[in-house]
Amino acid sequence: KAGVTQTPRYLIKTRGQQVTLSCSPISGHRSVSWYQQTPGQGLQFLFEYFSETQRNKGNFPGRFSGRQFSNSRSEMNVSTLELGDSALYLCASSQGRQRGFLAEQFFGPGTRLTVL
Amino acid sequence: QKEVEQDPGPLSVPEGAIVSLNCTYSNSAFQYFMWYRQYSRKGPELLMYTYSSGNKEDGRFTAQVDKSSKYISLFIRDSQPSDSATYLCAGTGGFKTIFGAGTRLFVKA
Repeated sequence: KAGVTQTPRYLIKTRGQQVTLSCSPISGHRSVSWYQQTPGQGLQFLFEYFSETQRNKGNFPGRFSGRQFSNSRSEMNVSTLELGDSALYLCASSQGRQRGFLAEQFFGPGTRLTVL
Repeated sequence: QKEVEQDPGPLSVPEGAIVSLNCTYSNSAFQYFMWYRQYSRKGPELLMYTYSSGNKEDGRFTAQVDKSSKYISLFIRDSQPSDSATYLCAGTGGFKTIFGAGTRLFVKA
């Protein structure tokens, strides 16, 4: 079974530009979550999509957005990039769960974004 | 205040030592508590999880949760150089999982 794939693996952008990152979940998984990982803040939750609907959202500005397609693939977009957006962006897929139950999240290798 | 607090380390121990990794949390709604391991240039992978309070053992690893004090622990017995990684604790109580910042562990041969 193929794991979670993320593209691209590395990206260099300049301030003010926008970027789109892509995530393909494990086959059969309907939930995709996005996280930002930095040395100072650790792993921070951005948002979760389930069956093309955003089910939960973290405390990030509106410059961060995402979507999920009918095949469960997901994209996240960051507009007007800032230096502080430099981070590892991780995507995690799971089968999805009802409230109160745990569904294991499987992480991709991440996209390393550098903003100059 | 972060919902999950974790000392980032680094923590350096000799091979064979017992390692203790700890986290505190503030969200009383958390029902599941997890430990993830992340190797360099890889995404995190689930190591083990615990439901509510109690202990759970898996080989050399033991996870412990004390909901009364909101304390999460991971113990690694007979630590090996291959255990060198970043360990992240996490709690979940709905559709959102909150992670600690991660503790970097180095096990010296």
